[in-house]
This record gives sequence, structure tokens and C-alpha cells, in this order.
Amino acid sequence: EPEVTQTPSHQVTQMGQEVILRCVPISNHLYFYWYRQILGQKVEFLVSFYNNEISEKCEIFDDQFSVERPDGSNFTLKIRSTKLEDSAMYFCASTPQGARASYNEQFFGPGTRLTVL
Amino acid sequence: AQSVTQLGSHVSVSEGALVLLRCNYSSSVPPYLFWYVQYPNQGLQLLLKYTTGATLVKGINGFEAEFKKSETSFHLTKPSAHMSDAAEYFCAEPNTNAGKSTFGDGTTLTVKP
Repeated sequence: EPEVTQTPSHQVTQMGQEVILRCVPISNHLYFYWYRQILGQKVEFLVSFYNNEISEKCEIFDDQFSVERPDGSNFTLKIRSTKLEDSAMYFCASTPQGARASYNEQFFGPGTRLTVL
Repeated sequence: AQSVTQLGSHVSVSEGALVLLRCNYSSSVPPYLFWYVQYPNQGLQLLLKYTTGATLVKGINGFEAEFKKSETSFHLTKPSAHMSDAAEYFCAEPNTNAGKSTFGDGTTLTVKP
């Protein structure tokens, strides 16, 4: 069964460093998302991406984050200058349909645990 | 803005007992609602979803949920808990414009032998 994959599973970085988290969505999916879950808190939406551009983003997105789909398979999240509070699980997700995407299940990857020291 | 509220951050039941995890939504228009499960060190897996039609929705692993507009609720139930049901459960409402989901705070289910 196709699944969303994410690498690395765990990343440790120093505060102020740039980090790139990688995701391979399911191949025929059209919408892509990044969410994060700070330990003990709810899953928080970061960004959605469709047709090679951002569809929606959270308020803080532009301050720290960027996304790219550099080729036909990868979808990356870059954190420009990590802060301690960026320590969290980062989940990538994808949805099969372009139209009415919200009615469809978002398929989530296993997550990358980012630890900022 | 839409929001999803899960009552009870921790629920503990005995094996074989009824599981009830509560979710309330705030949308003024009929929402679409999902329940996800997150096992330790894993991603989010869809348990079930309500879009249109039947208000009682059956999902995987014996779970079901009932959409009640009058109560703005979408509570998750399972008649008999198994040890393997121990996990964190999230209720979520997708945003119809962008497809993103708004998640509740999550409920950790513990199943005692």
C-alpha cells in the first residue's frame, strides 16, 4: 500500500542552524501539507501546497519556513534559523484530489522528530 | 474560526470496557469531521470520517462515531476496548477551502488489563 515517507526520522540540530525536512508524498496525490506537533500539544497546521504553489499558510510561516517541491517526488520543509521552540514532530501529509480535497483523507507520514539544542 | 474541542485529555478504561472519546465542533455550517489515531512513535492514521449521508460512521478496528448536529458532537466509541487500542486520538475538521485540518488537542487512551 502506498504511503507517505519522511526523512530523517530524527534530526538534532543547534539553535540558529538551518534544517531541511524531507517528504515523499504518495505519487498520484495533488495536495501536500506540513503540520507540527510540539510535545504535549495539538497538531498544528503549517502550510498547504498545490500546483507548485502555497495554498494556505499559518501566520508565522514566512518568518521561519519555506517549502519546495524540487522534483516530481520530494516535498521539503526548510526551517531557516531554528529556535529551541521549534523542537517538535513534523508531519507531512498528502491528499489525492485537487477538487474538494478537504473531503478526502489526509495521508500522514510517520513524522520527523526535530530536537533543537 | 472553526474549532474542535476534545473533552478529556486522558481517558482510562479496562480491557473489554466501552470506549467513549468526546469531540465537539463549532462550525455553523455542517462540517466534515475526521478521527485519527496516533500510535506511539508513529504518524496519524485515519480511523473514520463523516462527510455526508449516514450520521453513524463505522471505521477501522471496531470504532464508530455518530454525528449529532443538535449537540454539535462527533464522539468516538468502541464497545469493547483492547490493549492494542492504547494510543492518542485526534478529532479533526478539514477546512473546505484549503483542505487543511484543524485538530483537537487529542485524547490519550489508556487500556488497563
